[in-house]
Amino acid sequence: QSVLTQPPSVSGAPGQRITISCTGSNSNIGADYDVHWYQHLPGTAPKLLVYGTTNRPSGVPDRFSGSKSGTSASLAITGLQAEDEADYFCQSYDSSLSGFYVFGTGTKVTVL
Amino acid sequence: EVQLVQSGAEVRESGESLRISCRGSGYSFNTHWIGWVRLVPGKGLEWMGSIYPGDSDTTYSPPLQGHVTFSVDKSSATAFLQWSSLKVSDTAVYYCARRFTVVRGIITTYAFDFWGQGTMVTVSS
Repeated sequence: QSVLTQPPSVSGAPGQRITISCTGSNSNIGADYDVHWYQHLPGTAPKLLVYGTTNRPSGVPDRFSGSKSGTSASLAITGLQAEDEADYFCQSYDSSLSGFYVFGTGTKVTVL
Repeated sequence: EVQLVQSGAEVRESGESLRISCRGSGYSFNTHWIGWVRLVPGKGLEWMGSIYPGDSDTTYSPPLQGHVTFSVDKSSATAFLQWSSLKVSDTAVYYCARRFTVVRGIITTYAFDFWGQGTMVTVSS
């Protein structure tokens, strides 16, 4: 049901930089709607990581950064740490009949 | 501290009814939309809809319209998600989340800044 596509998994060694892509369409990301990112550890509440495409809530390290271009968005994690191992979801607004708020398919980040 | 605390795991059979809850604290419950989001195994997150506690205004995701019902009890700052007839396909973890408005120029979007811990709902045939 997800209309935003993410890679199922991304991995990296501690200290490395990784990026997670979020591909949408002209009815969501391509329509200039902002993208938001969440970090989710199974069994816990998802955590807002980036909002408004590039902004971080208070308390989120600046190792996490978001960007957007055309119909895609990206979340970059620099200086990868073991505690970053989690699932990551993007979210945007969709103007089509499929629903108002749409989430990505989710990406599992593994720290090697 | 903003908190959303959800009710515990539930197991039902197909066709049964169910209501799960989400209690808010640490903020003005009546003036923030609450969204319901589910995590279906292997399928990612899905927005189900939202409710405004102040006047119980609701918005449902089109595919789920008519299958679920949102409600609130303002006196206890609690939001509810209910089904009158569950399906096996309703098996998922259900989250409530507080909606957060993001304004950039003339573009307004919404994120979810605080989430409940989730309620696992298992429906068997």
